[in-house]
Amino acid sequence: DGGITQSPKYLFRKEGQNVTLSCEQNLNHDAMYWYRQDPGQGLRLIYYSQIVNDFQKGDIAEGYSVSREKKESFPLTVTSAQKNPTAFYLCASSRRDKGGSDTQYFGPGTRLTVL
Amino acid sequence: ILNVEQSPQSLHVQEGDSTNFTCSFPSSNFYALHWYRWETAKSPEALFVMTLNGDEKKKGRISATLNTKEGYSYLYIKGSQPEDSATYLCAFIDGGSTLGRLYFGRGTQLTVWP
Repeated sequence: DGGITQSPKYLFRKEGQNVTLSCEQNLNHDAMYWYRQDPGQGLRLIYYSQIVNDFQKGDIAEGYSVSREKKESFPLTVTSAQKNPTAFYLCASSRRDKGGSDTQYFGPGTRLTVL
Repeated sequence: ILNVEQSPQSLHVQEGDSTNFTCSFPSSNFYALHWYRWETAKSPEALFVMTLNGDEKKKGRISATLNTKEGYSYLYIKGSQPEDSATYLCAFIDGGSTLGRLYFGRGTQLTVWP
């Protein structure tokens, strides 16, 4: 089955610790995205990558880092510099056609709680 | 950051009622508008991608219209069923920024009571 997997589903960490959220896709998509959702807010873009070894900051990149060493994988690290890391994190991917209006496909999400 | 507004924030209807909600977006530099459905405990799933002014898309009982000149899109659900209960998200692609980047609204949460 083709799709996007995120692990783990729930993650608990102590304040001050870095934590890495996994995102893997087997859809052969070029573009991948990380979003954050907080109660009452829309999805906000953290980072995105349109191609391997390249990524750009989204609207709320401070305190986060990413890598894109393989087409299938786009891990997100929440660093201790992120002031309010407790949130629901969604990963997505898309084909990146010439038009740039491609549908995004989402993973199941990871709920991170920092204690 | 571009502003995408959705209204209402939440909606409760009876089974069989028809309903509609609105997505407003900047009317300049329009490129595309996406609608997604997000059911509880599932991943958001794409409903429609709309690119042309006057576009109308339909999937079963759900349809959407697009007015790029005035900057709005309507989503209609005819004869709502309990399985339509979900949050409906719209997302805007701006032609002036990186293509493929979506700007999401906060969503309309629909609850359909049997």
